[in-house]
Amino acid sequence: GQQLNQSPQSMFIQEGEDVSMNCTSSSIFNTWLWYKQDPGEGPVLLIALYKAGELTSNGRLTAQFGITRKDSFLNISASIPSDVGIYFCAGTNFGNEKLTFGTGTRLTIIP
Amino acid sequence: NAGVTQTPKFQVLKTGQSMTLQCAQDMNHNSMYWYRQDPGMGLRLIYYSASEGTTDKGEVPNGYNVSRLNKREFSLRLESAAPSQTSVYFCASMGAGLSKSSYNEQFFGPGTRLTVL
Repeated sequence: GQQLNQSPQSMFIQEGEDVSMNCTSSSIFNTWLWYKQDPGEGPVLLIALYKAGELTSNGRLTAQFGITRKDSFLNISASIPSDVGIYFCAGTNFGNEKLTFGTGTRLTIIP
Repeated sequence: NAGVTQTPKFQVLKTGQSMTLQCAQDMNHNSMYWYRQDPGMGLRLIYYSASEGTTDKGEVPNGYNVSRLNKREFSLRLESAAPSQTSVYFCASMGAGLSKSSYNEQFFGPGTRLTVL
C-alpha cells in the first residue's frame, strides 16, 4: 500500500532548537493530519489541515497544507524534552474512510 | 470520556495459539480500525469497519479476523498466531460528525504489545 514520504527519517537536535519536517505524496489530498507518538503510546492528533495553503498553529507547533495539495510541513519552535517522539503525517480525502500514513520522523533531543 | 480503550496491554503467545484483542470507543464514532506497527514500518492497516455490521480488508489482513460487535466495539482475532505477527497493535476510531473538522480525524488507543514465540 501507498505510504507518504516523510523527511527527515530522524533528527537529533539540542533543546531550544527549531525543528522542520515535511511530508510528500504522489496523490492529491484535501485533508492533512499530523500525529505524535510518544514511546510506548498510541499516536495523538496534533493538527488537522483542510484547505490548501492553510497555516495552523497549536502552541509551539505550526503546520502548513501545501498549495499543490501534495505536501505538508510541520515546524516546532524552541524544542523541549517532551517533544521527543515519532511524528507521523497522514493524508486523506473527504468521504474516504482510510488514512494514508507517512513513514514517520523520529525526533531525539541531545542533552 | 475514555476515548479508545484496548485490552490487553501486553500479551505473549506461543505459535499456534489463538487470541482476541479487544477495542472499545465511547465517542459514538461510526468507523473503527485495526493497525499494526512494526519497527521502521509505520502504521499498516489490517482491517476496518466503516459502520456497524460492515468490515473491510486493509493492507495486511492475512492471518486476522475481525468482528464489529456493535457501534462501540471492534475486536481483532488471531486464529493461529505466528512469530511474524509479533507487533504492536493499535485500534482507532473516526467520527462522521456534523462538523467537517472532525470527520477525517482518527483517534488511537494505547496499543497492545503482542509477542509470538
